[in-house]
Amino acid sequence: NAGVMQNPRHLVRRRGQEARLRCSPMKGHSHVYWYRQLPEEGLKFMVYLQKENIIDESGMPKERFSAEFPKEGPSILRIQQVVRGDSAAYFCASTPMEGTGSEKLFFGSGTQLSVL
Amino acid sequence: DQQVKQNSPSLSVQEGRISILNCDYTNSMFDYFLWYKKYPAEGPTFLISISSIKDKNEDGRFTVFLNKSAKHLSLHIVPSQPGDSAVYFCAASRWDDKIIFGKGTRLHILP
Repeated sequence: NAGVMQNPRHLVRRRGQEARLRCSPMKGHSHVYWYRQLPEEGLKFMVYLQKENIIDESGMPKERFSAEFPKEGPSILRIQQVVRGDSAAYFCASTPMEGTGSEKLFFGSGTQLSVL
Repeated sequence: DQQVKQNSPSLSVQEGRISILNCDYTNSMFDYFLWYKKYPAEGPTFLISISSIKDKNEDGRFTVFLNKSAKHLSLHIVPSQPGDSAVYFCAASRWDDKIIFGKGTRLHILP
């Protein structure tokens, strides 16, 4: 009865490197959300995906950030050329069906990204 | 523009007493409201929710109240227990849209 799995738990990158964050949703869940929590801030929506499709990416920065959820395998949040301001906790959440607003999200434990 | 506001960054309550966490929202189109609880180094976990057609929902020690006219909701925990010490996030959504979170309130339960 595995929950939402995120890896790695901690990721350290130097400025200019790439960061790849992985998320495997709960069994039977086909929709994934990514949220970012900056220090002393709340959870900010980034992107909402279903298999092979981006539903809503209105919270994603226009440059350097991308997300995918392939037919097979985990969802990936990719940050190219990281900067110090990207340091944050990145949380993935999944739901069993298309968001109706009433579906609660099941969160993973997050990936703490630190950019040196 | 913050659509979900939790104006108290932290709150301290004596064990056994009632904890009241408050939340305000600005978008009148929200029709579903949730509270999440988060411990350090863990992801948020769902606690309780309420739809806009109700003004109260209760689950054990946890009760959420919704005042639509004031665009305000609150979470009551009674009696408060040491394990309730955590960060509590208020969240809201429209029926067909993503969930928007507030900044959270850190609750300390004092012995």
